[in-house]
Amino acid sequence: GIQVEQSPPDLILQEGANSTLRCNFSDSVNNLQWFHQNPWGQLINLFYIPSGTKQNGRLSATTVATERYSLLYISSSQTTDSGVYFCAGASGSARQLTFGSGTQLTVLP
Amino acid sequence: NAGVTQTPKFRILKIGQSMTLQCTQDMNHNYMYWYRQDPGMGLKLIYYSVGAGITDKGEVPNGYNVSRSTTEDFPLRLELAAPSQTSVYFCASSDPTRISYGYTFGSGTRLTVV
Repeated sequence: GIQVEQSPPDLILQEGANSTLRCNFSDSVNNLQWFHQNPWGQLINLFYIPSGTKQNGRLSATTVATERYSLLYISSSQTTDSGVYFCAGASGSARQLTFGSGTQLTVLP
Repeated sequence: NAGVTQTPKFRILKIGQSMTLQCTQDMNHNYMYWYRQDPGMGLKLIYYSVGAGITDKGEVPNGYNVSRSTTEDFPLRLELAAPSQTSVYFCASSDPTRISYGYTFGSGTRLTVV
């Protein structure tokens, strides 16, 4: 199966700052998703983005499929953005996602 | 619209005991998955199912069993619990005809084996 690497593993920001999280894949993906796990453990789907760019409020994501990476941008961060951000992908005919190890984001007031 | 419901939320097992983690979804999704998340780690796939009567192993299936008799339910069975199975277990579902909608996760079951 594919390997998924995320960076940085930890990120601490002041409220209002911007950040970029990166996800690299070992193989081409046809399914790529970003998730946020809040401090209570709930996993929320943020984006389905196997290619191109999407935006949802202060969050946006870009996937460059030919170079096997994806970026998640968080602008004007808020304390409620804290938690762990995971990217996950699947390649070929696989329907099951392989997850990266996550980026732990802490936004300080 | 409940989404994906997991029970119980917490459980403590003694070594060698068995239990079933329940997962049910009301979105008529054909695909369902079980993942485990160890502290500070990402999610690892245990088993998945692409429809009733069809299951397949994921990355870490040893010590677990699943069944899928209906579209709605996908229980995970732990036989002879071991401390290495202490983890948080997440069930998820997806609709293969609406892949852009992504996965929907349950709230998780926190299991401790002592």
